[in-house]
Amino acid sequence: DAKTTQPNSMESNEEEPVHLPCNHSTISGTDYIHWYRQLPSQGPEYVIHGLTSNVNNRMASLAIAEDRKSSTLILHRATLRDAAVYYCISYSNYQLIWGAGTKLIIKP
Amino acid sequence: GAVVSQHPSWVICKSGTSVKIECRSLDFQATTMFWYRQFPKQSLMLMATSNEGSKATYEQGVEKDKFLINHASLTLSTLTVTSAHPEDSSFYICSARDGTGGNQPQHFGDGTRLSIL
Repeated sequence: DAKTTQPNSMESNEEEPVHLPCNHSTISGTDYIHWYRQLPSQGPEYVIHGLTSNVNNRMASLAIAEDRKSSTLILHRATLRDAAVYYCISYSNYQLIWGAGTKLIIKP
Repeated sequence: GAVVSQHPSWVICKSGTSVKIECRSLDFQATTMFWYRQFPKQSLMLMATSNEGSKATYEQGVEKDKFLINHASLTLSTLTVTSAHPEDSSFYICSARDGTGGNQPQHFGDGTRLSIL
């Protein structure tokens, strides 16, 4: 199964952009890259996903490396409500393969 | 957006009790739902994949007779923890996929906090 690796935690200042990296060097050519985030005591929330091209939505942007071995989730202007654990996940065999995630700390 | 409702939000019960957790897709039909368990400060662990009208597919190490899954309709899946014991205490989360294929995100319920005394 494809696995992803992320930093355990990151800190950022409020109202600044945040770049959350993810390595997925063993991902197959057909596995999508999904990002979810989880606030304490809540279920995960879908953020964004993509295959090869960069993707944008109202929550974030996803930049996928040309070789697909890494990707970066970009929060353009972090707020305190963005503090959560962010999971970079490969979608393999119709299942999400979960890693440990990155705990994002937003400093006011 | 797609909404998944999970009930109850939390439950506390005595050891030996069976507990049923419901997962509903409110505004879409879900042929496949997923059940996860999450221990404190850990990531989600997939327990089983629930398929409408057929038997669930359990992950290795998950006891089928302990965690009964029923997916009788396109909008409802249930997880029953039978004869629960303190080691079953955990955060249980369901999700549903709106459509098929790797380009379809999963939508998650808010989880059920299960505490067995």
